[in-house]
Amino acid sequence: AQTVTQSQPEMSVQEAETVTLSCTYDTSESDYYLFWYKQPPSRQMILVIRQEAYKQQNATENRFSVNFQKAAKSFSLKISDSQLGDAAMYFCAYSNSGTYKYIFGTGTRLKVLA
Amino acid sequence: NAGVMQNPRHLVRRRGQEARLRCSPVKGHSHVYWYRQLPEEGLKFMVYLQKENIIDESGMPKERFSAEFPKEGPSILRIQQVVRGDSAAYFCASSPTGDRESGYTFGSGTRLTVV
Repeated sequence: AQTVTQSQPEMSVQEAETVTLSCTYDTSESDYYLFWYKQPPSRQMILVIRQEAYKQQNATENRFSVNFQKAAKSFSLKISDSQLGDAAMYFCAYSNSGTYKYIFGTGTRLKVLA
Repeated sequence: NAGVMQNPRHLVRRRGQEARLRCSPVKGHSHVYWYRQLPEEGLKFMVYLQKENIIDESGMPKERFSAEFPKEGPSILRIQQVVRGDSAAYFCASSPTGDRESGYTFGSGTRLTVV
């Protein structure tokens, strides 16, 4: 069975600095998707970035980028120029090719310090 | 263009009562998924429905829980005879097709508190 592990329950970053959130996963599949979701206090689950396993190029979305290491089964999220609005819970998620289920990690709470 | 609408946002029930959680998917989406988030945990899959059909309920407890997505109206997650352990945030997501390539849109969840 696939698993997703986020080993950092909480992280802090100074405003305008860069922070990296870690995620590792376990799977025997070769084709899958990985996601980072942001959950602010409003509880809304917001898709931040996604990565297709067959793509070697790391996905980027403005200030958000990932470091996808397929062999190491690692999928970290880097947030550059952190803003107060980035404070939230961040969840890493995995989905097999051809399925609809997401498997979520336990989340990392990010605090942004002014 | 409204996203996924869930109501109520907060629901308090006494032990033994019934809880009904509603989810209206994005207009045009015919696939609905329910996830549960226990305190300090990630979301866990419960059930996947298409209009009038349950496709996969493998993540749903065998007793007291049921879900439906009628031809007309919202999807309903029903929990009968609630217990304290049912306290959680319940999220609904929808998609236009049944695979994740089209992307899920999540609602803001219903927080159920059982007292």
